[in-house]
Amino acid sequence: EADIYQTPRYLVIGTGKKITLECSQTMGHDKMYWYQQDPGMELHLIHYSYGVNSTEKGDLSSESTVSRIRTEHFPLTLESARPSHTSQYLCASSLQGAGGPGDTQYFGPGTRLTVL
Amino acid sequence: AQKITQTQPGMFVQEKEAVTLDCTYDTSDQSYGLFWYKQPSSGEMIFLIYQGSYDEQNATEGRYSLNFQKARKSANLVISASQLGDSAMYFCAMREGVKVIFGPGTSLSVIP
Repeated sequence: EADIYQTPRYLVIGTGKKITLECSQTMGHDKMYWYQQDPGMELHLIHYSYGVNSTEKGDLSSESTVSRIRTEHFPLTLESARPSHTSQYLCASSLQGAGGPGDTQYFGPGTRLTVL
Repeated sequence: AQKITQTQPGMFVQEKEAVTLDCTYDTSDQSYGLFWYKQPSSGEMIFLIYQGSYDEQNATEGRYSLNFQKARKSANLVISASQLGDSAMYFCAMREGVKVIFGPGTSLSVIP
């Protein structure tokens, strides 16, 4: 069973607010990921990290930023939320990233963000 | 170009019957991994099964099995003895480099 946590689970916020979505895992995984997903649609990778002090942008351009100061923590920040940011944000982690079953990504429960 | 194709946007299956969810993929790598995830209406992504490109046997996990046909580049998920709790979105995914690419998903509805 995966031990990866996201808070908050649901967030409704007004336009222009700064928000931080929290993600933490207790599995000691080096690789962590953020995905954006609209209801019933595919997942889009927006950020990933190989390890501490390593962050990369994903395939989908995003106005959000991430940091990785500790192995277990990978928060995502939106400096100024807009209605177009309304979506579900899923955090994941994996042990490896270069082949084998260790590539399996384990997901948190997600944060459903609504920007009014 | 679409890396992962799931041609069935929606599927229905009778409870206790088996169902196959299709997935084809496109890669020029020799070494790759394939995954299936389940996403219920609550939104979490649940890992179901993994198949490595060099694995000679099809992967199985309980009621889930992966029908891996390497030459055809297909990795279909077979769910045996469907249960009402199997109603969900199902995503096929493939490791490409350090990233995992997800398909568009198939919505499965299990009918009592």
